[in-house]
Amino acid sequence: GQQLNQSPQSMFIQEGEDVSMNCTSSSIFNTWLWYKQDPGEGPVLLIALYKAGELTSNGRLTAQFGITRKDSFLNISASIPSDVGIYFCAGQPAGANNLFFGTGTRLTVIP
Amino acid sequence: IAGITQAPTSQILAAGRRMTLRCTQDMRHNAMYWYRQDLGLGLRLIHYSNTAGTTGKGEVPDGYSVSRANTDDFPLTLASAVPSQTSVYFCASNTMASEIRNTIYFGEGSWLTVV
Repeated sequence: GQQLNQSPQSMFIQEGEDVSMNCTSSSIFNTWLWYKQDPGEGPVLLIALYKAGELTSNGRLTAQFGITRKDSFLNISASIPSDVGIYFCAGQPAGANNLFFGTGTRLTVIP
Repeated sequence: IAGITQAPTSQILAAGRRMTLRCTQDMRHNAMYWYRQDLGLGLRLIHYSNTAGTTGKGEVPDGYSVSRANTDDFPLTLASAVPSQTSVYFCASNTMASEIRNTIYFGEGSWLTVV
């Protein structure tokens, strides 16, 4: 199957700091999605990217679709305690309609 | 807005028993999926269905079966549960209105423990 490498695996940051996480793949993807999962709940879509080079924001979140179509990053600015959770990248290979997921980045925000 | 409804929310099951996890969506999405989530392994696709009447195998299909008799329902069956199937199971759906702008939405999950 597809290999998605997501890093870092976990992060401990101070409230107010900016956060950056990224995802790389071994093959070209047509779509990159970023999800957040809170304990006991399903993943919730944060940002969707459909075009190489695309830079999209959603409030304090910004994500980019890498030019090579093999990577994506997610930035969170001015973190707050409710940003705590697990963030997953997901990619959709060309010609497929299913997603492959990274193993997640566990974010802890210290007040 | 109901979205995707999964049942049961959680279940403890004896090994060897048959179990069906139910999934219903009210968004008229064409495509539906079942994923399992395990610590350190992320979400892995079990089975999928692009449209009613069709199904396909994902990354980890062994020990599971699905059916798609209509657009709204996509049950996942464990014919004879084994402890390695202890996991959190997520149902998801996708509009497939256009391959260019697909977005997958998830249910709340079903926590299954096989003992």
